[in-house]
Amino acid sequence: EADIYQTPRYLVIGTGKKITLECSQTMGHDKMYWYQQDPGMELHLIHYSYGVNSTEKGDLSSESTVSRIRTEHFPLTLESARPSHTSQYLCASRQLAGGHEQFFGPGTRLTVL
Amino acid sequence: AQSVTQPDIHITVSEGASLELRCNYSYGATPYLFWYVQSPGQGLQLLLKYFSGDTLVQGIKGFEAEFKRSQSSFNLRKPSVHWSDAAEYFCAADNTDKLIFGTGTRLQVFP
Repeated sequence: EADIYQTPRYLVIGTGKKITLECSQTMGHDKMYWYQQDPGMELHLIHYSYGVNSTEKGDLSSESTVSRIRTEHFPLTLESARPSHTSQYLCASRQLAGGHEQFFGPGTRLTVL
Repeated sequence: AQSVTQPDIHITVSEGASLELRCNYSYGATPYLFWYVQSPGQGLQLLLKYFSGDTLVQGIKGFEAEFKRSQSSFNLRKPSVHWSDAAEYFCAADNTDKLIFGTGTRLQVFP
């Protein structure tokens, strides 16, 4: 079944730890996105990619980094987590051409103590 | 600057009542328009989209939306709300390959 997956769904870690949030999609989409969403707030784009070896920063400045080595995989990494990184992180993907709708994963809720 | 505005932060309706959620956009040209729904702790699910053509679009779960160019609006409607419709609703627009979201409207449904 074509879908978009995020792991872990929930993560609680201490300050200073390195973390990687995983995002994978089986829809064959070239474009992938990472959004940050604070509780009850709108979504802000932090990273996006048009395909393998393509990564761009989004509208909201973020200390995280991303990579795109495989089409289906778009992980997000925080080298040293801080309490200010506490948020929900949503991954999305869409086709390269045609419909502009993005399909979202279930999200990862990150809490940094 | 491009923007999407959802004027209502929180709406409460009784089950069975009709619903209209407002959305206005500010773009140089008509963007692609979307409505998404988000249940607590979940990702976003696409309800419907407007690209061109018929200004009244039908979506999933009995929702529809009407595009009005003269008002720069794309309001979401449902004739009879169910308790399971309680969620956060986001309007979004895209004409630069990136979605811009409104701040969302939280819908509460009373029995």
